[in-house]
Amino acid sequence: IAGITQAPTSQILAAGRRMTLRCTQDMRHNAMYWYRQDLGLGLRLIHYSNTAGTTGKGEVPDGYSVSRANTDDFPLTLASAVPSQTSVYFCASSVLAGGYNEQFFGPGTRLTVL
Amino acid sequence: AQSVAQPEDQVNVAEGNPLTVKCTYSVSGNPYLFWYVQYPNRGLQFLLKYITGDNLVKGSYGFEAEFNKSQTSFHLKKPSALVSDSALYFCAVSYSGGSYIPTFGRGTSLIVHP
Repeated sequence: IAGITQAPTSQILAAGRRMTLRCTQDMRHNAMYWYRQDLGLGLRLIHYSNTAGTTGKGEVPDGYSVSRANTDDFPLTLASAVPSQTSVYFCASSVLAGGYNEQFFGPGTRLTVL
Repeated sequence: AQSVAQPEDQVNVAEGNPLTVKCTYSVSGNPYLFWYVQYPNRGLQFLLKYITGDNLVKGSYGFEAEFNKSQTSFHLKKPSALVSDSALYFCAVSYSGGSYIPTFGRGTSLIVHP
């Protein structure tokens, strides 16, 4: 059982470049999320999706976009990367978009923007 | 509105001693409370949650947490700490009738000394 996979594991990117972080889940969960984790700031929500075909903005959405064409995939795109987007990015999912459902997390992508 | 606080950046405990990691919250309705653990270079793993019912919740790896409504707290506890419990612990909160996406605390680093 893979759960959630993320790719790449790590990436060094030049500022101004476009980058897509991939996230795939095999649990048939309806809801998916993207977080960034920064030292001292914990986890901050970037974007989320309640179900395939819908997306929403989280706490820190600027500079990021997402799509949810199907249940399994939820890619995160940085249109023009900036150094402040250096972070560890986690994709997560939950069975349903309800506040009582625990989330399952992927292993993360470590992104460095120079 | 919802918010969560983890007042300690780091908790140190000797192996075999009891441990407590603190979490307090603020919500506008009935809370849903979660604890997650993150080992180095890994994604977050769900430990336990409180939705309703018994105030003492038991979870994975011998951890438990006590919901205290009057003190708006949900402290994580374990009777006897192991060196392998050393990790980063996150508390998260959402609530009935509000945003279904949990808000995460900044995390507490637990260090268990041999």
